Amino acid sequence: EIVMTQSPATLSVSPGERATLSCRASQSVSSNLAWYQQKPGQAPRLLIYGASTRATGIPARFSGSGSGTEFTLTISSLQSEDFAVYYCQQYNNWPPRELTFGGGTKVEIK
Amino acid sequence: QVQLQESGPGLVKPSETLSLTCAVSGYSISSGYYWGWIRQPPGKGLEWIGSIYHSGSTYYNPSLKSRVTISVDTSKNQFSLKLSSVTAADTAVYYCARPTLWSSSFDYWGQGTLVTVSS
Repeated sequence: EIVMTQSPATLSVSPGERATLSCRASQSVSSNLAWYQQKPGQAPRLLIYGASTRATGIPARFSGSGSGTEFTLTISSLQSEDFAVYYCQQYNNWPPRELTFGGGTKVEIK
Repeated sequence: QVQLQESGPGLVKPSETLSLTCAVSGYSISSGYYWGWIRQPPGKGLEWIGSIYHSGSTYYNPSLKSRVTISVDTSKNQFSLKLSSVTAADTAVYYCARPTLWSSSFDYWGQGTLVTVSS
C-alpha cells in the first residue's frame, strides 16, 4: 500500500499570505498526484491533477509541483474562501487498483 | 452537466449490510470511466472504497475487499455499494464520484450521504 503523508496537519495563515502544503508518498507515484479542497459539509473539490495541472475553473493562485515522492501545493495569496482542508491523493496505476489519500492539512485563519 | 446522487438508509445495525446507490445524470455510465466510492468518517480523512467500470470490472481497497461489493446497472445509469458485517467504524459520509478523463482523480462528486452504524 502506498501511504500518503501530509504536513503540517494545521497551517495558520493570514489572508493575502502564501501557503505551502506538503505531501509525501511512501514510494514513487511519478506525477500521479491530485489535490482537493474540502469545506465543512461539502464534497471535496478537485484542484490539481497530474501533480501540476489545474482542474477546470480553478484559480491561478493554486499551483502544484513535485514528482516521485515529494509534492507541494502552493496558494499564492490566500483569499477568505481558501480556508479549508486540503487532501492529496495518489493514483499510481491504471486501472485504479489502489487509490490512497493523505490525512489532510487544515488551512486556518491566523 | 454530470450529477451524482447517493441514496440509501441512513442507519444500519451492526453486523448488517450497508447498501447505497449512486444515480448518475448528465452522462451515460456505459460511455466509460471507473466510477468510484469514497467514504469519510466524521471529522476524519478520505478513504477510497473501490471503483467499477461499466463492464463490471471492479477494484477494491485491500483493507475492505473481503466485505465490499460494487455493482453497476447500466440500464438505470447507476452503480451500487454493499458493505457487509458493518461496525461502528463504518459510520461515515459515503460519496460516489467520477474520475477525470486523464487520471484517477475525481472531478465530479455526489453530495454525500451519512450512514450511521448503531443498534
